[in-house]
Amino acid sequence: GDSVTQMEGPVTLSEEAFLTINCTYTATGYPSLFWYVQYPGEGLQLLLKATKADDKGSNKGFEATYRKETTSFHLEKGSVQVSDSAVYFCALSWKTSYDKVIFGPGTSLSVIP
Amino acid sequence: DTAVSQTPKYLVTQMGNDKSIKCEQNLGHDTMYWYKQDSKKFLKIMFSYNNKELIINETVPNRFSPKSPDKAHLNLHINSLELGDSAVYFCASSQGPRTGAEAFFGQGTRLTVV
Repeated sequence: GDSVTQMEGPVTLSEEAFLTINCTYTATGYPSLFWYVQYPGEGLQLLLKATKADDKGSNKGFEATYRKETTSFHLEKGSVQVSDSAVYFCALSWKTSYDKVIFGPGTSLSVIP
Repeated sequence: DTAVSQTPKYLVTQMGNDKSIKCEQNLGHDTMYWYKQDSKKFLKIMFSYNNKELIINETVPNRFSPKSPDKAHLNLHINSLELGDSAVYFCASSQGPRTGAEAFFGQGTRLTVV
């Protein structure tokens, strides 16, 4: 069935390090892809999105490119900050049916000073 | 104004009780969801409603019953609560996956069954 796979955490980085969180998906059709972030004790917030192949989503220094050929949507940031510590979820939704938004298992990121 | 609001934020109750969680969205969205997040942060969809009509009902015990009185509200009622129901429950809404739109989430309700 349709699914989203993310690299397992937790991920611990030093401040100003480069971040990559891998995400790959399996889906029929042409889904939209998202990264959500969940800060401690809060709900999920949309971080960025891409709706078609080769689109690049970006926000707050984070970027991800929709790669249809590799069915991937990896999240990157050039220099992480302590305030980026959170759980990151990759997700997809379809354009062709009233179906669900499917989430990956989440990757916990801790940034240490 | 909060876009998607849930009440209560915390809920502690004894096994066997019946409880409800309320959700309201003021975004004019057509689709609303309930998700359950376990202790490992894994998010699992429970229900999806579109214009008050049930669209998705995942394999959820029938002790869980969603009710959508109108397009802006989707409440979750849980009967005969069990220890395993302890989790964070999130309500969300979207224009509808048909548009490939993102979902907007409430702050969550942390349910603890003792």
